[in-house]
Amino acid sequence: DQQVKQNSPSLSVQEGRISILNCDYTNSMFDYFLWYKKYPAEGPTFLISISSIKDKNEDGRFTVFLNKSAKHLSLHIVPSQPGDSAVYFCAARGGYTGTASKLTFGTGTRLQVTL
Amino acid sequence: SQTIHQWPATLVQPVGSPLSLECTVEGTSNPNLYWYRQAAGRGLQLLFYSVGIGQISSEVPQNLSASRPQDRQFILSSKKLLLSDSGFYLCAWSGQNNQPQHFGDGTRLSIL
Repeated sequence: DQQVKQNSPSLSVQEGRISILNCDYTNSMFDYFLWYKKYPAEGPTFLISISSIKDKNEDGRFTVFLNKSAKHLSLHIVPSQPGDSAVYFCAARGGYTGTASKLTFGTGTRLQVTL
Repeated sequence: SQTIHQWPATLVQPVGSPLSLECTVEGTSNPNLYWYRQAAGRGLQLLFYSVGIGQISSEVPQNLSASRPQDRQFILSSKKLLLSDSGFYLCAWSGQNNQPQHFGDGTRLSIL
């Protein structure tokens, strides 16, 4: 049962344009969402997050939008740069034990920014 | 600043052999620690997490075990590896109270 889905396995965008990566989830108990970026042979790097009480969070070129009614979030990268080429994972937090938070990850979207 | 180290980066093991992957965190105390596996074409699956020394919670039944002998050390083990244990294993840490998890660079494990 895939509770976090990234339906586009890949995306190609021209340098300078906007990249939009999408993520859907099914569990209404998720309360916090994160985006990670991963280069080959490296671990994922935290990019940006959003709490379920917000609908937008911005950090430089990166903006995450959350639509709770649609159970959908998206990551916008503007303007896209060649260094943004990587695999992007969406993750959702649901469930605590003590202070540990459990993350459920999507399968990732490979972004290619072309010149 | 905090750093997380995983080793080895790659490992090739025969079926039935034991496994020990190590992860250490520097620059923080009492972190929450996590082991994930990424199988080919799939997302990251949480295997184990730990909120303190000697405290291990398992998320999925499997052929693996985890231990936390010291505050900033997390070990993933197996007594006998299976072919299905192949994958990319990632260790992560987080602070307390809603902080994002930060990942190591992972270990690519191939079982022959």
